[in-house]
Amino acid sequence: GAVVSQHPSWVICKSGTSVKIECRSLDFQATTMFWYRQFPKQSLMLMATSNEGSKATYEQGVEKDKFLINHASLTLSTLTVTSAHPEDSSFYICSASVGQGYQPQHFGDGTRLSIL
Amino acid sequence: QKEVEQDPGPLSVPEGAIVSLNCTYSNSAFQYFMWYRQYSRKGPELLMYTYSSGNKEDGRFTAQVDKSSKYISLFIRDSQPSDSATYLCATSNTGFQKLVFGTGTRLLVSP
Repeated sequence: GAVVSQHPSWVICKSGTSVKIECRSLDFQATTMFWYRQFPKQSLMLMATSNEGSKATYEQGVEKDKFLINHASLTLSTLTVTSAHPEDSSFYICSASVGQGYQPQHFGDGTRLSIL
Repeated sequence: QKEVEQDPGPLSVPEGAIVSLNCTYSNSAFQYFMWYRQYSRKGPELLMYTYSSGNKEDGRFTAQVDKSSKYISLFIRDSQPSDSATYLCATSNTGFQKLVFGTGTRLLVSP
């Protein structure tokens, strides 16, 4: 149980394009979804938290206009990296949980994003 | 200073060894402490979590928190090759919200 599917697992695209990453909870309804980013040899860093039907809450230093998050249903959240540039190349990973933060987060397998 | 410090390893041990993985943290407000295991090309999976100080045991795994020294540990007894993975510590002052992760320690258990 508690499976989170993330797609795509790997994407390469040209600078200036927009990239959408999907995160789905397959066997549970996710009240809250989280998006993380991890640069090489660094820790997972929380980018934003989203509750179904509400606007995402972004962490300090994360550009909300660049990283668009939509959590339109209890099983799907999307992260769109707009006008991606090489410095946006990173590992992006989502997680999902039930309830208001006192249930464990279940992680997807991540998306490796490479911007040329 | 990073909020959570963790030696990246790799830590190499023979099968059957006792493994000790450690993290230090700087924010005394952290109350929740977790250990995640991450296999290559997979997302982190929760191994154990504790609230405040103390020990918690689950099979071969023991989590230990010392809030006075801001030190958290994970012990693995009778380590197996299948335990080879990256182990991430994480902390929070808000349950499972806003987790702060260490960089992870890569563990290699050789047969």
